[in-house]
Amino acid sequence: DTEVTQTPKHLVMGMTNKKSLKCEQHMGHRAMYWYKQKAKKPPELMFVYSYEKLSINESVPSRFSPECPNSSLLNLHLHALQPEDSALYLCASSPSGTVNTGELFFGEGSRLTVL
Amino acid sequence: AQKVTQAQTEISVVEKEDVTLDCVYETRDTTYYLFWYKQPPSGELVFLIRRNSFDEQNEISGRYSWNFQKSTSSFNFTITASQVVDSAVYFCALSFLYSSASKIIFGSGTRLSIRP
Repeated sequence: DTEVTQTPKHLVMGMTNKKSLKCEQHMGHRAMYWYKQKAKKPPELMFVYSYEKLSINESVPSRFSPECPNSSLLNLHLHALQPEDSALYLCASSPSGTVNTGELFFGEGSRLTVL
Repeated sequence: AQKVTQAQTEISVVEKEDVTLDCVYETRDTTYYLFWYKQPPSGELVFLIRRNSFDEQNEISGRYSWNFQKSTSSFNFTITASQVVDSAVYFCALSFLYSSASKIIFGSGTRLSIRP
């Protein structure tokens, strides 16, 4: 079982809706990540939080708004999305926030459909 | 530039055959990590192996083996006696330090199909 929990597993929303994706880990990891994966494509990095501060924003449109309320939680707030934003959104965590220590632990993902 | 290239888009073999997945990387860092992840149809990314840039020792784990060669910037993955359950998309990935955080980038993936 994955130790990174993502909710919801599936989400369908209209272009005018506001919704949020949630990610939780209790491994004491200090870095958390959002990746976006389109069908038959590799995961693409969106955001990285290191010690609860936003470290990397890969020029993601402002309709995606990340939030890291504490070291265990990571949210992705969605507003005014487009159909092309439909994808699998993967959350991951890593033990260290400032040192490159290795692998990411991934959740199972939230599959988003924008109508 | 930091880049991971998986030239093989799709591979199809018959069960019990050996299969090698290729990965070539580019990085300007001296300290980095390389990974292989497996993504079955369920969607979850499953971690298989990690290698750091200072450890070129090759590894065998059951039917899996990895060949890391810095001289050719390659990190290849071999499955021996393949099984239908090995069917998945396999991603090679590179981790490096960027803006005080680990940044991991993925290759485009190789879709492996094992036929009974």
